Amino acid sequence: DGGITQSPKYLFRKEGQNVTLSCEQNLNHDAMYWYRQDPGQGLRLIYYSQIVNDFQKGDIAEGYSVSREKKESFPLTVTSAQKNPTAFYLCASTSRDRGTQHFGDGTRLSIL
Amino acid sequence: QQQVKQSPQSLIVQKGGISIINCAYENTAFDYFPWYQQFPGKGPALLIAIRPDVSEKKEGRFTISFNKSAKQFSLHIMDSQPGDSATYFCAARRGDTDKLIFGTGTRLQVFP
Repeated sequence: DGGITQSPKYLFRKEGQNVTLSCEQNLNHDAMYWYRQDPGQGLRLIYYSQIVNDFQKGDIAEGYSVSREKKESFPLTVTSAQKNPTAFYLCASTSRDRGTQHFGDGTRLSIL
Repeated sequence: QQQVKQSPQSLIVQKGGISIINCAYENTAFDYFPWYQQFPGKGPALLIAIRPDVSEKKEGRFTISFNKSAKQFSLHIMDSQPGDSATYFCAARRGDTDKLIFGTGTRLQVFP
């Protein structure tokens, strides 16, 4: 089945540690997105990529980094500079004809 | 101008009742208005969407009403069921980008 796979489902970060969240899609979508979800704040855009080897900052990019080396993959690194990383992270993708965004089932990141 | 304001924050409805969630926006460049449904621990899934040239769209028990002059749109869930208990997000997309701006979400609880 086509879809978006996020892994791991749960992730714990120690102080000063960088962690990487995986997002893979087999929908042949061009654009991919990372969102952060906090209670009562909806979804906030961290980074997005409309094409391989190109990406742009969203509204809350500080403390995060991404890469887009393959069309199917858009990993997000939460760096030690992100002081409040505890949240639910969602990856999404959409096709070139700018259809609806499809979401993965998220990764919940917590601090040890 | 980039915000989408959503209300209420939470909603409790009896089974068989009508659930109504409202959203308002300022940016007239928005050209696509989807609603997403999210269950705990899952990513949002597209429920129904509308474009501003249509005043109403119905799919089964779900209806979007759109008031372009008032810059408001709402989701109506008829004959609400306990299985509809979830968080609902409205969103808006600007015509020249693929980025979605999300409302802050409404937690719906439907009691038998």
